[in-house]
Amino acid sequence: AQSVAQPEDQVNVAEGNPLTVKCTYSVSGNPYLFWYVQYPNRGLQFLLKYITGDNLVKGSYGFEAEFNKSQTSFHLKKPSALVSDSALYFCAVRDGNNRLAFGKGNQVVVIP
Amino acid sequence: DAGITQSPRHKVTETGTPVTLRCHQTENHRYMYWYRQDPGHGLRLIHYSYGVKDTDKGEVSDGYSVSRSKTEDFLLTLESATSSQTSVYFCAISGVGTGEQYFGPGTRLTVT
Repeated sequence: AQSVAQPEDQVNVAEGNPLTVKCTYSVSGNPYLFWYVQYPNRGLQFLLKYITGDNLVKGSYGFEAEFNKSQTSFHLKKPSALVSDSALYFCAVRDGNNRLAFGKGNQVVVIP
Repeated sequence: DAGITQSPRHKVTETGTPVTLRCHQTENHRYMYWYRQDPGHGLRLIHYSYGVKDTDKGEVSDGYSVSRSKTEDFLLTLESATSSQTSVYFCAISGVGTGEQYFGPGTRLTVT
């Protein structure tokens, strides 16, 4: 079965510093990988996806993610974090039935 | 929120009563999903639909049923609500071949 793991419960980063949120995956076949963000009392918002092609994927709000097949990782990155980036971040992987399996989420806290 | 509405947005009900949550989309997407979100568990798939009257179970389907009689509406029913079903419920939609899902604003259900 397809699955993802987000090893850290919370990531603290100072405003202006680089932000990284980690995700590793386990799939049979080629992975379709996604990142979502959830702000308080809101639904999840799609940030970016990797299907095929360039290993560096660019998404919304200045986020990007790096696909690494040898390390089975798909880490989310932002060069300079903003206080408004404080939110819950989910990694997900798609299966053959168009369903997504989500990680447990990472709380990101950007400290002013 | 990508043309997805959920109703009601908040509900408090008593153990043993039936509850129906509604998801409505205006995007004409084929796939619709119901998830529940609980602390420490991320999002877990309850049921999903791949077309009108075509539904299947997710990983936490016990105690839930669904129906989809029109493309735009996907109903989630708790036949006899239990306290373990207190959660935030999200509906999502997805088009054919795109992979990413778009989420509604959520319904906060409390079973007392």
